[in-house]
Amino acid sequence: EVQLVESGGGLVQPGRSLRLSCAASGFTFDDYAMHWVRQAPGKGLEWVSGISWNGGVIGYADSVKGRFTISRDSAKNSLYMEMDSLRPEDTALYYCAKDAHYAITGHGMDVWGQGTTVTVSS
Amino acid sequence: DIQMTQSPSSLSASVGDRVTITCRASQDIKTYLGWYQQKPGKSPKRLIYAASSLQGGVPSRFGGGGSGTEFTLTISSLQPEDFATYYCVQHNSYPLTFGGGTKVEIK
Repeated sequence: EVQLVESGGGLVQPGRSLRLSCAASGFTFDDYAMHWVRQAPGKGLEWVSGISWNGGVIGYADSVKGRFTISRDSAKNSLYMEMDSLRPEDTALYYCAKDAHYAITGHGMDVWGQGTTVTVSS
Repeated sequence: DIQMTQSPSSLSASVGDRVTITCRASQDIKTYLGWYQQKPGKSPKRLIYAASSLQGGVPSRFGGGGSGTEFTLTISSLQPEDFATYYCVQHNSYPLTFGGGTKVEIK
């Protein structure tokens, strides 16, 4: 069974950093692109970032570009998001999602984790 | 960036009704579009990929159509378990962009 388990969320002050992790199992992690998608309380879905199967192609939403860094570790079957200079508007439930293909465009996200909550507040 | 305009933002319908949700892209995205269902407190679930292909395990009452800039999600006969929020997303180019969502409520 394909499974994605996010962790690392929590309460953090504005301007501080946080690192999210996503542990993947049940599929060949190296074969697929991966994404982070977030959902602010009571709001819709927002794509945050995606990384291709080998890390060669990376994309970010304008709202996080320059502050967030996505990465992956094939040895640990894990996806990461390093979030710096956090702002109150980054408060959201962050989902890890598997792509149906090796590229970050063209096929879409087919499996999602349960999410981890990030709250940015003083 | 490609903008996705989804309509309506909400609708009320009865069990058995036929429901259609529309998504409009600000530029040609061919058929690089997916539809997702999200129930309260749950993760999104993919229903449709490549604009019109049904995800495995999804009931056949769900159907997708369109290409280019105009897309639809149709539920042919609404069931009690279909009351949820639906999102479209384009994956033609990044940043990937979602529609604003359509909340389907019980009339």
